[in-house]
Amino acid sequence: NAGVTQTPKFRILKIGQSMTLQCTQDMNHNYMYWYRQDPGMGLKLIYYSVGAGITDKGEVPNGYNVSRSTTEDFPLRLELAAPSQTSVYFCASSSGVYNEQFFGPGTRLTVL
Amino acid sequence: DQQVKQNSPSLSVQEGRISILNCDYTNSMFDYFLWYKKYPAEGPTFLISISSIKDKNEDGRFTVFLNKSAKHLSLHIVPSQPGDSAVYFCAASAGGGQGGKLIFGQGTELSVKP
Repeated sequence: NAGVTQTPKFRILKIGQSMTLQCTQDMNHNYMYWYRQDPGMGLKLIYYSVGAGITDKGEVPNGYNVSRSTTEDFPLRLELAAPSQTSVYFCASSSGVYNEQFFGPGTRLTVL
Repeated sequence: DQQVKQNSPSLSVQEGRISILNCDYTNSMFDYFLWYKKYPAEGPTFLISISSIKDKNEDGRFTVFLNKSAKHLSLHIVPSQPGDSAVYFCAASAGGGQGGKLIFGQGTELSVKP
């Protein structure tokens, strides 16, 4: 039982490049979330999903896209990378709205 | 607009003493509150939670207190241990209508000295 896994662990992008951050959970959770954490700050919600095929925006969705075709996977897409997207990205999953969220180890992204 | 605030960026306590971490919120729609612990280069891990219908929840050395009238919650760790040294995040949720999404505070870095 791996929990929530994220790939890659680290990535450096050039301005304007695109990439997909992968997130997979093996707990059969319906709810999945993407957060970013900037230095010295708390986590901010980018997008979330309440089940396969259903996604919605969080606090800071601009510059990102998501899809949820299966229960297990919730990839985050950056289309045109900008320096403001330099951050640590965390994926999380939960079995219910009043249940704890389990977090992955994070992806550290630098845009130069 | 910071809906969840942790005004102390850092806290240092002696091993064996009590650690008290504080959190304030502004949104009266929040009905579920959680504390997460985070070590460097790892994801946050869940510590303890409390529903808005309660004013206290206890789990071993960890107790969370909720004062709804003051929109304030606190995490007490007794006794503090060196392994408790980490960043602690307070988070709040408006529950079912919001898909369980969490609003996080900025975090408080706890250092427990032997």
